[in-house]
Amino acid sequence: GEDVEQSLFLSVREGDSSVINCTYTDSSSTYLYWYKQEPGAGLQLLTYIFSNMDMKQDQRLTVLLNKKDKHLSLRIADTQTGDSAIYFCAERKAGTALIFGKGTTLSVSS
Amino acid sequence: EADIYQTPRYLVIGTGKKITLECSQTMGHDKMYWYQQDPGMELHLIHYSYGVNSTEKGDLSSESTVSRIRTEHFPLTLESARPSHTSQYLCASSPAGSANTGELFFGEGSRLTVL
Repeated sequence: GEDVEQSLFLSVREGDSSVINCTYTDSSSTYLYWYKQEPGAGLQLLTYIFSNMDMKQDQRLTVLLNKKDKHLSLRIADTQTGDSAIYFCAERKAGTALIFGKGTTLSVSS
Repeated sequence: EADIYQTPRYLVIGTGKKITLECSQTMGHDKMYWYQQDPGMELHLIHYSYGVNSTEKGDLSSESTVSRIRTEHFPLTLESARPSHTSQYLCASSPAGSANTGELFFGEGSRLTVL
């Protein structure tokens, strides 16, 4: 497809793991990103993965990349109420700016 | 902490008015971008610049215009605002060079409401 696709909503309980999925468009994209947007704020880079990697772990965050299926996921372990935000998947295509998905709204209940 | 600033943060204005959204960055980044973001929608690139005196239109057609006279400054102008221009406008910048990861640094956004 032509769009970066994400599910729009995810609701989890505090302490559970959250998994946010994304399908991107271009198998030749060099970098893939996860951005976080809190209410009333701009986007902030959470983590990124280079296309020659399958997995990247950074504290509570784990990114998995399946290049064959053009699928990217973000796992947040021990989800906290402060993790409630909108999470955007983005890909960097050659010669272009980043292409973003519509964002997944993560709601964490205590 | 990224040093990119947008003003105003919020603007409510009447139809037909001219508005300019300001964006400044102190990181010396060559590349700057304007994205439009509607609720529940992806960010759409409307303008970008890869350096002084360089501006290009993005993927989403926009009636706005931009200028890049100085590296640190990338203002967006609407000559005659309409209700269809109501949206959040996000400015971003990134350093040039293939060695960079392509990460974008975002401002906090300007939320425009046109009555």
